[in-house]
Amino acid sequence: GAVVSQHPSWVICKSGTSVKIECRSLDFQATTMFWYRQFPKQSLMLMATSNEGSKATYEQGVEKDKFLINHASLTLSTLTVTSAHPEDSSFYICSARAGTRSYNEQFFGPGTRLTVL
Amino acid sequence: GENVEQHPSTLSVQEGDSAVIKCTYSDSASNYFPWYKQELGKRPQLIIDIRSNVGEKKDQRIAVTLNKTAKHFSLHITETQPEDSAVYFCAASSASTSYDKVIFGPGTSLSVIP
Repeated sequence: GAVVSQHPSWVICKSGTSVKIECRSLDFQATTMFWYRQFPKQSLMLMATSNEGSKATYEQGVEKDKFLINHASLTLSTLTVTSAHPEDSSFYICSARAGTRSYNEQFFGPGTRLTVL
Repeated sequence: GENVEQHPSTLSVQEGDSAVIKCTYSDSASNYFPWYKQELGKRPQLIIDIRSNVGEKKDQRIAVTLNKTAKHFSLHITETQPEDSAVYFCAASSASTSYDKVIFGPGTSLSVIP
């Protein structure tokens, strides 16, 4: 299958700082990218959907000013957690899809473990 | 929006036995239902999927059934092996005008006892 990478794989930061996570589709052009958050022993919660060249669509309850998403190209999307706090500590996973429909398989990145001290 | 429920939350079976995980969804417009397997600390991996125009699909030891009327779908794993131990998530698409998004169920932690 297609390959999606994420960087960094883990990050520890101080409270109040901002953290940027990159998601790249390495061998295909991703029309749509998704960002999920997963707390320990819980499911993947969709945070937002981004389409190349347009603004991200955020799920209800997700603060767009806190979780900035940029989908600058067909192979790169970034998630910036601004002014991170301990409650933002989580596993963040992106996925990328070459198409707008669900039956276009989405490929997941390996995830980024964020710990905010 | 779409809401996906999943049962049981934990499941323990003896090696060689079958495992069944059941899910329900709320949005009658959903038309695509993937199943993912996630091992601890790793990314989810698609193991099987089914579209709404199909009632059943099988791939070796894994099968999925879909009842659109009842908005139920299930995962069946036969001849379970220890390496099947993982968390399994069902999911359903939530169609919109411009793109579809996939909503995950809460997950089932499967343990296969040797």
